[in-house]
Amino acid sequence: DAGVIQSPRHEVTEMGQEVTLRCKPISGHDYLFWYRQTMMRGLELLIYFNNNVPIDDSGMPEDRFSAKMPNASFSTLKIQPSEPRDSAVYFCASRRGDGFYEQYFGPGTRLTVT
Amino acid sequence: AQSVSQHNHHVILSEAASLELGCNYSYGGTVNLFWYVQYPGQHLQLLLKYFSGDPLVKGIKGFEAEFIKSKFSFNLRKPSVQWSDTAEYFCAVNLGAAGNKLTFGGGTRVLVKP
Repeated sequence: DAGVIQSPRHEVTEMGQEVTLRCKPISGHDYLFWYRQTMMRGLELLIYFNNNVPIDDSGMPEDRFSAKMPNASFSTLKIQPSEPRDSAVYFCASRRGDGFYEQYFGPGTRLTVT
Repeated sequence: AQSVSQHNHHVILSEAASLELGCNYSYGGTVNLFWYVQYPGQHLQLLLKYFSGDPLVKGIKGFEAEFIKSKFSFNLRKPSVQWSDTAEYFCAVNLGAAGNKLTFGGGTRVLVKP
């Protein structure tokens, strides 16, 4: 298995632009998680899905952030408009839904908003 | 709300020294406990996990952790570190059978000097 796949690996954009981050979970995993990692706040859970349905989005910072999971093999995290304070590494993780709680993380997307 | 504390933010030690990283959590019910490692520039990888049974858990790369329920602790240990153990280490907790959300500690950066 290729593991969790994220794209792009690096993204540099200007303030005000729309940013879309992509994630392909491990096949067969029922849960998908989006995290943000910064020096100041550490690892924060933004949102997670179960069977493509958003379950908890309480970690999403504000309305500029949105996430979708149109099918079991693809999810997006969109920031519109982006701001410099959104600069961070965004990780996607997936997990089986059969009682095993280990999450597998993707390589992350390093986002820089100038 | 549950929280996870890692008391040491930075640890510097020499090769062959022993390592112990502290982790405490603040939930009195059934928990699942994890230690993840993040090597420089890489994604999080699972070192070990505890769900139930023997409170002394052995993981990859010679790491082990001990769950002490009375102390709400899950400390990570390695008897003899190598330069390649230089990384950031994260403790994480979720709430037992109903737990889908991982709560991460703030991380401990470990630098092993050759």
